[in-house]
Amino acid sequence: GEDVEQSLFLSVREGDSSVINCTYTDSSSTYLYWYKQEPGAGLQLLTYIFSNMDMKQDQRLTVLLNKKDKHLSLRIADTQTGDSAIYFCAETRDTGRRALTFGSGTRLQVQP
Amino acid sequence: SQTIHQWPATLVQPVGSPLSLECTVEGTSNPNLYWYRQAAGRGLQLLFYSVGIGQISSEVPQNLSASRPQDRQFILSSKKLLLSDSGFYLCAWSVARGTEAFFGQGTRLTVV
Repeated sequence: GEDVEQSLFLSVREGDSSVINCTYTDSSSTYLYWYKQEPGAGLQLLTYIFSNMDMKQDQRLTVLLNKKDKHLSLRIADTQTGDSAIYFCAETRDTGRRALTFGSGTRLQVQP
Repeated sequence: SQTIHQWPATLVQPVGSPLSLECTVEGTSNPNLYWYRQAAGRGLQLLFYSVGIGQISSEVPQNLSASRPQDRQFILSSKKLLLSDSGFYLCAWSVARGTEAFFGQGTRLTVV
């Protein structure tokens, strides 16, 4: 079955880079996403990557995909206190029900 | 532009009482609609998804039901709430042929 796993917690200092990791089991995953959830709020889509790509960069965000190892990472450069939130990795396929399968989320704490 | 509205934002209900959470989407037609639940400190669990009016698929057996009386309206209901129904409920939509999901702000339900 589908499974997405993430580490639960990451703490970094302001200005450092943050790397949040995710592994998934479904080899037919086509799309992989990173969502951000601030306290008490819904999920905000940060970025996504297609399975035929191995890297995508968007300003301070860099997504790396190792399809062979089914490993996805999100790197946030120059992490700011406003980046403190829970980050969810999610995957889906291009067929079937197309609902996202989420990891349990990684809580990023940025210390000033 | 597309927007998604979800209400109420918070709700405290006694055990055994009924539940109705509403979600509406504006600015798009025939969206896929989803209800997710996020238990405290955990990831998102897909509860229901719908690809059209009156078409509901349930992902997990539970005390909840969903309905889609109109194209852009998705309702989550229960006849009798249980303590275990407490959580953060998120509605989401995606375009019919895409997989990128956009989320509402969520409803925090506490069953007492």
